[in-house]
Amino acid sequence: QQPVQSPQAVILREGEDAVINCSSSKALYSVHWYRQKHGEAPVFLMILLKGGEQKGHEKISASFNEKKQQSSLYLTASQLSYSGTYFCGTEGGGGSNYKLTFGKGTLLTVNP
Amino acid sequence: NAGVTQTPKFQVLKTGQSMTLQCAQDMNHNSMYWYRQDPGMGLRLIYYSASEGTTDKGEVPNGYNVSRLNKREFSLRLESAAPSQTSVYFCASSPLQGSSEAFFGQGTRLTVV
Repeated sequence: QQPVQSPQAVILREGEDAVINCSSSKALYSVHWYRQKHGEAPVFLMILLKGGEQKGHEKISASFNEKKQQSSLYLTASQLSYSGTYFCGTEGGGGSNYKLTFGKGTLLTVNP
Repeated sequence: NAGVTQTPKFQVLKTGQSMTLQCAQDMNHNSMYWYRQDPGMGLRLIYYSASEGTTDKGEVPNGYNVSRLNKREFSLRLESAAPSQTSVYFCASSPLQGSSEAFFGQGTRLTVV
């Protein structure tokens, strides 16, 4: 079952902030975040493991609330290069084999 | 390092034809995945292989088969292609499930007419 992402799309001006949310109906072991530019493969941004740790990558950070099975990606002072589709991927469900399942994506457009 | 290599990059098939999409990684990763990407649907998991010798169904396995030939290679076969299988297919690999990033290949754009 795919995690649910919101919003589906967001348009920003350079320098503005955005938050992308990801939620799952199942218990999670980890949450991944990826960015995909048009016509290219998804590229890894960060992974958050069970434990609620917040991680950062340049001006992009994320949090993971394992009790609520939710994660949020925070983009601050957005740059033109941040444009793309952001995917959250989740692993969990118990057992020893974890499926890495992705949401439908959030299209982020940063304008000058 | 080449990373994850997919072949072919583009393919056009006629309905009913069969073909195999190839994927190879040179990072000694244990886990490998096949996804399809369609507009508005995100990345949907077709099959995955937690380790050499094991494969499991993902969300959309119907119409596909896979083979984990060895640790490096994970192939996806369409036995009788249908227009609904027109998509971009991505292969990915990761060192360990549950705790490490996935590396993606450049994708195969498949059109079934």
